[in-house]
Amino acid sequence: NAGVTQTPKFRILKIGQSMTLQCTQDMNHNYMYWYRQDPGMGLKLIYYSVGAGITDKGEVPNGYNVSRSTTEDFPLRLELAAPSQTSVYFCASSYYGDTHQPQHFGDGTRLSIL
Amino acid sequence: DQQVKQNSPSLSVQEGRISILNCDYTNSMFDYFLWYKKYPAEGPTFLISISSIKDKNEDGRFTVFLNKSAKHLSLHIVPSQPGDSAVYFCAAIPTGANSKLTFGKGITLSVRP
Repeated sequence: NAGVTQTPKFRILKIGQSMTLQCTQDMNHNYMYWYRQDPGMGLKLIYYSVGAGITDKGEVPNGYNVSRSTTEDFPLRLELAAPSQTSVYFCASSYYGDTHQPQHFGDGTRLSIL
Repeated sequence: DQQVKQNSPSLSVQEGRISILNCDYTNSMFDYFLWYKKYPAEGPTFLISISSIKDKNEDGRFTVFLNKSAKHLSLHIVPSQPGDSAVYFCAAIPTGANSKLTFGKGITLSVRP
């Protein structure tokens, strides 16, 4: 079972460039999430989705955009990369978001903005 | 404003001994708590959870204790094994539709052979 798959694993961007972090899950989960983890910090929620076509902001959404056209995929878009967006990005999914089902995480994308 | 606090950044224990990882929270609306384990270059994986209606939940070598009055929970690992060396995140979630997890900063556990 693949679970949650994130690509790429590593990426270096120049300031002002844009890119899309890909996330796909094969567990038929309706809830999906994007987090970022800065060094020595916990995970902070960027955006989440409760189902195809529905997305909402988390704690730190500025500088990011998301879309959810299918149940499986939840890409995260950085439009104008800034050094403050250097972080490790984790995608997660769960079957229900409010019934305490644990979230399943991908292995992360390590992004450096130079 | 940290709502979930893991004040000790690291812990080192001898193999076979008990590891106790602590977590404090400030939000009284949290009613479910989870521990995640994370190895380097991997995503967090769910370890154990506890509902606020309980004070203890056990799963093999892992036990989580919850003290609601003190807003404190702890994860006990007995006996500790070298493979337990990882970062452990405490997370909490309030009741309600579309509630979100709040994570602590994590504790790095090192188990010495």
